[in-house]
Amino acid sequence: GAVVSQHPSRVICKSGTSVKIECRSLDFQATTMFWYRQFPKQSLMLMATSNEGSKATYEQGVEKDKFLINHASLTLSTLTVTSAHPEDSSFYICSARGDYNQPQHFGDGTRLSIL
Amino acid sequence: GIQVEQSPPDLILQEGANSTLRCNFSDSVNNLQWFHQNPWGQLINLFYIPSGTKQNGRLSATTVATERYSLLYISSSQTTDSGVYFCASGNDMRFGAGTRLTVKP
Repeated sequence: GAVVSQHPSRVICKSGTSVKIECRSLDFQATTMFWYRQFPKQSLMLMATSNEGSKATYEQGVEKDKFLINHASLTLSTLTVTSAHPEDSSFYICSARGDYNQPQHFGDGTRLSIL
Repeated sequence: GIQVEQSPPDLILQEGANSTLRCNFSDSVNNLQWFHQNPWGQLINLFYIPSGTKQNGRLSATTVATERYSLLYISSSQTTDSGVYFCASGNDMRFGAGTRLTVKP
């Protein structure tokens, strides 16, 4: 089956640090990748959608300069949280999809804790 | 974007009972998936079901796209079924608020 690998699984760092999260589709080409954020006991909130080779489309209220998304190849997307602060602490999870009418496949998520 | 609503928000069952979870969506869609999120946060893909009916063991799902809803059936529930069930729909795959299922022994 389709596998999406997300790294790191856990990050603890100081306020002001930039953190990069990688999302890789291991056995299929991901035309579209999605980044979500989940706070405790809440649902997944879509942050942005990225298509390979194009700029990401951000949801309203998500700061583009704060959450940098790169989708440089059909198997890799990265999310960089720049100058992270404690309020950025959350569970970030990526997903990847081949064609439009195919299912999404999720990574295992990254727990980000900013001290 | 599309609006996705799930019901009920919480469900408590005795082991062995059956249950039905519902997902309503605000617009016609070509994509709909059901997921189970385990206590470690992993999203387990249960069904990709933009229309029709599928079954996998004790779980089955039905989507009636023309009426903009999908149902997830869990039969003979087990304690390991506990967790949060999400549906996601639309081209940009928006999630509902989830149903938190607790199965008691």
